Amino acid sequence: ETGVTQSPTHLIKTRGQQVTLRCSSQSGHNTVSWYQQALGQGPQFIFQYYREEENGRGNFPPRFSGLQFPNYSSELNVNALELDDSALYLCASSLEGVGTQYFGPGTRLTVL
Amino acid sequence: AQSVTQPDIHITVSEGASLELRCNYSYGATPYLFWYVQSPGQGLQLLLKYFSGDTLVQGIKGFEAEFKRSQSSFNLRKPSVHWSDAAEYFCAVGADGNTGKLIFGQGTTLQVKP
Repeated sequence: ETGVTQSPTHLIKTRGQQVTLRCSSQSGHNTVSWYQQALGQGPQFIFQYYREEENGRGNFPPRFSGLQFPNYSSELNVNALELDDSALYLCASSLEGVGTQYFGPGTRLTVL
Repeated sequence: AQSVTQPDIHITVSEGASLELRCNYSYGATPYLFWYVQSPGQGLQLLLKYFSGDTLVQGIKGFEAEFKRSQSSFNLRKPSVHWSDAAEYFCAVGADGNTGKLIFGQGTTLQVKP
């Protein structure tokens, strides 16, 4: 059974640029949730995708957007990057939107 | 609003000593509760979860947690800590009565002295 994978591992961008982060869900899972973890903080829920539709969103601006593909992998897109977007971005997969979430290793984004 | 509080930001224990990490939550109904562990620069690993039933739940790596509704707590315990347990520990509650959106506490950093 393959666990949750994320790419890239690290990323450096400059303010104003756009970034795309990728996540492959655990085998058999059809739901992906994204979280932002700033340094020294707990993860904050960004949004969830279930069967290719957004299924809940946290308190993040519209420049944070996502996609889920038919194979249940997912992308997180962030436009007009700001310095405060520097964080570890975690994705988690689960089954049917309500099961236990299993996390990937994360993507460390640095915005200069 | 739902929230999770981990009162201890940093805890240091000696190897072989017992451990208790505190977690208090704010939620009106029966919550779904989780403990995750995070090693430096890594993702989150699920230690244990409480959905319903027996209020004492067993997890991996010898951890257990007890759900106490009257105290709105879900404290994590381990009888004998190993050096490899040094990490960041997060308590989380499933928001809005499901596990689709997790609300996390700020985390407790555990340091283990030899």
